[in-house]
Amino acid sequence: GAGVSQSPSNKVTEKGKDVELRCDPISGHTALYWYRQSLGQGLEFLIYFQGNSAPDKSGLPSDRFSAERTGGSVSTLTIQRTQQEDSAVYLCASSLGGRTNYGYTFGSGTRLTVV
Amino acid sequence: KNEVEQSPQNLTAQEGEFITINCSYSVGISALHWLQQHPGGGIVSLFMLSSGKKKHGRLIATINIQEKHSSLHITASHPRDSAVYICAVKRVIIQGAQKLVFGQGTRLTINP
Repeated sequence: GAGVSQSPSNKVTEKGKDVELRCDPISGHTALYWYRQSLGQGLEFLIYFQGNSAPDKSGLPSDRFSAERTGGSVSTLTIQRTQQEDSAVYLCASSLGGRTNYGYTFGSGTRLTVV
Repeated sequence: KNEVEQSPQNLTAQEGEFITINCSYSVGISALHWLQQHPGGGIVSLFMLSSGKKKHGRLIATINIQEKHSSLHITASHPRDSAVYICAVKRVIIQGAQKLVFGQGTRLTINP
C-alpha cells in the first residue's frame, strides 16, 4: 500500500479481555517495528521484525504481549488479559530494511483504552 | 538518565520567530531522526541525519557526531508548525538490525 496502515484506529476493551492490533506495512518493506506511547510518556520500542522473524523482542513489557508476522507483510500484536496500564497508542513503522540507514514510515497508530 | 535528552520540553513562541530544539544523546548511533507528531498522534519523519546538515523548506537539522548533539531549527515559524517534535536515535540491536530510541519530545506552540 501507499503507507503503513494500522487497524483498528481506536479500541476500547474491558480489563482482562484479549486484543489484537494489526499493522499492514508498505509493500516491499522487510523491516517492521512496533512502538508504544503511553499517555504523557515518550515512545518505547516493543519488537522488531525482519521478514517473518523477530530477532529482538526485548521491548515487550510482559509475557501477555506477543506479536507475529506472516508472509513478510502484515503483523499482529496481541495483548492477552489486558490491564489498564496497557492503555496507550500502539504505533507501527516499516522500512526497506533493518540493517541499513533506511528511513522509517509510521502508521497512524491504534489508540487502546482498557477500562 | 535517558539515552536521549531533548530541550526544551515545552516551547511557546510567536509566529515568525526562529525556533531551535536541541537533542543530546549518550550512546553510539548510526543515525538520528527528527519526527513530528501532531495532535491525534500521527508521526511524520522530518529528517534522518548521520552527519552535517539537512534543509527542507523552513526546517533545518544539524548534527555534531563528536559532541553527540543535534538541533532542529524552524525559520519563520507558523501556527501550523505547532506539534510535538521528537528526536530519535538509531541504535544497532542485533544482527546489524537497528531500533529507534526516542527522546521525550518537545511540545511546540506557535501563537498567531
